[in-house]
Amino acid sequence: NAGVTQTPKFQVLKTGQSMTLQCAQDMNHNSMYWYRQDPGMGLRLIYYSASEGTTDKGEVPNGYNVSRLNKREFSLRLESAAPSQTSVYFCASSEAGVQETQYFGPGTRLLVL
Amino acid sequence: QKEVEQDPGPLSVPEGAIVSLNCTYSNSAFQYFMWYRQYSRKGPELLMYTYSSGNKEDGRFTAQVDKSSKYISLFIRDSQPSDSATYLCAMRPPGNTPLVFGKGTRLSVIA
Repeated sequence: NAGVTQTPKFQVLKTGQSMTLQCAQDMNHNSMYWYRQDPGMGLRLIYYSASEGTTDKGEVPNGYNVSRLNKREFSLRLESAAPSQTSVYFCASSEAGVQETQYFGPGTRLLVL
Repeated sequence: QKEVEQDPGPLSVPEGAIVSLNCTYSNSAFQYFMWYRQYSRKGPELLMYTYSSGNKEDGRFTAQVDKSSKYISLFIRDSQPSDSATYLCAMRPPGNTPLVFGKGTRLSVIA
């Protein structure tokens, strides 16, 4: 099992460009999450999907959109990237619901110039 | 007041020391507690979890929960340089909402 995979590993964008971060899990988990992690700020929840077909805002959703494509895949889109979105982005999944233990991917490092 | 407070460190200890990492929380309804370890440039990985008050031991690691004081701890015995990482606590809030994470404590174990 690969667990949670994320692509790309690293990306550089210019201000105003758009991109989609991809996440997939092969553990048949119901719930999936997107976090950003910045120095001194810890993990901040951007969006989550409790189950296929549902999405909900987290703590810092502004500037982002998500798609739960199917049970395996949950993507994060930046429509018009800003330097404030420079961060490390983590995808996670949990088996039965949003209150269960989360398993994290390796992260995507994003630099917006 | 933040729901979960965790001293960010950094904490630097010599190899072999006993390490104590702590989190406090404000909501007495939190009921399920986890510790994650995150190595540099990696994703967090689950280290231990515990549901009730008291201690849970796994090798050199002991997780302790004191619900009356709203305080949880992770103890590392005989610390090793390979324990150098950031440790995050996480808790299950009431209602059907996601886990709440502490900001993490950065630990360095010096050989």
